[in-house]
Amino acid sequence: AQTVTQSQPEMSVQEAETVTLSCTYDTSESDYYLFWYKQPPSRQMILVIRQEAYKQQNATENRFSVNFQKAAKSFSLKISDSQLGDAAMYFCAYRSAFKVDSNYQLIWGAGTKLIIKP
Amino acid sequence: GAGVSQSPRYKVAKRGQDVALRCDPISGHVSLFWYQQALGQGPEFLTYFQNEAQLDKSGLPSDRFFAERPEGSVSTLKIQRTQQEDSAVYLCASRWGNSGNTIYFGEGSWLTVV
Repeated sequence: AQTVTQSQPEMSVQEAETVTLSCTYDTSESDYYLFWYKQPPSRQMILVIRQEAYKQQNATENRFSVNFQKAAKSFSLKISDSQLGDAAMYFCAYRSAFKVDSNYQLIWGAGTKLIIKP
Repeated sequence: GAGVSQSPRYKVAKRGQDVALRCDPISGHVSLFWYQQALGQGPEFLTYFQNEAQLDKSGLPSDRFFAERPEGSVSTLKIQRTQQEDSAVYLCASRWGNSGNTIYFGEGSWLTVV
């Protein structure tokens, strides 16, 4: 079974600086998707960035980028120029790319609480 | 609609009471998911619908939990005889197709059982 591990329960960063959130996963599959979701206090899960495992190029969305290391099964999120609005829980998630009924659900890490210091 | 809508946003139930949580997915989205998220934890999968068919209910914690999506759009998660351990945020999510498309979440229904 696949697992997702986020080893940092909490991280803090000074506003305008860069922070990296860690995520590792375990799978025997060759094709899958990885996601970072942001969950502010409102509890709505907001997609930050997504990576397809077959793509070697790291995904980037404005100030958010990932470092995807497939062999190491690592998927870290880098937030540049941190802003107060980035403060939230961040969840890493995995999903199989295979169209088998049991493999469409997301498998989640435990989350990392990101604190932005003004 | 523009996004996934859930109601009620907050519900306080007395232990033993039945509750019903509603999810309006994004219009046209075929796939619908329910997740349960306890305080300080990541979401846990409950059940999955493709149109009106409930293809997986393996995550439902007990037979007190029941979900339906009779017309392939709105879904209701029903919890009978609520217990304190049912207190959590219940997240609904939808997706246009299956496989590679992005899943979009609603804001959740916060259930507190007292």
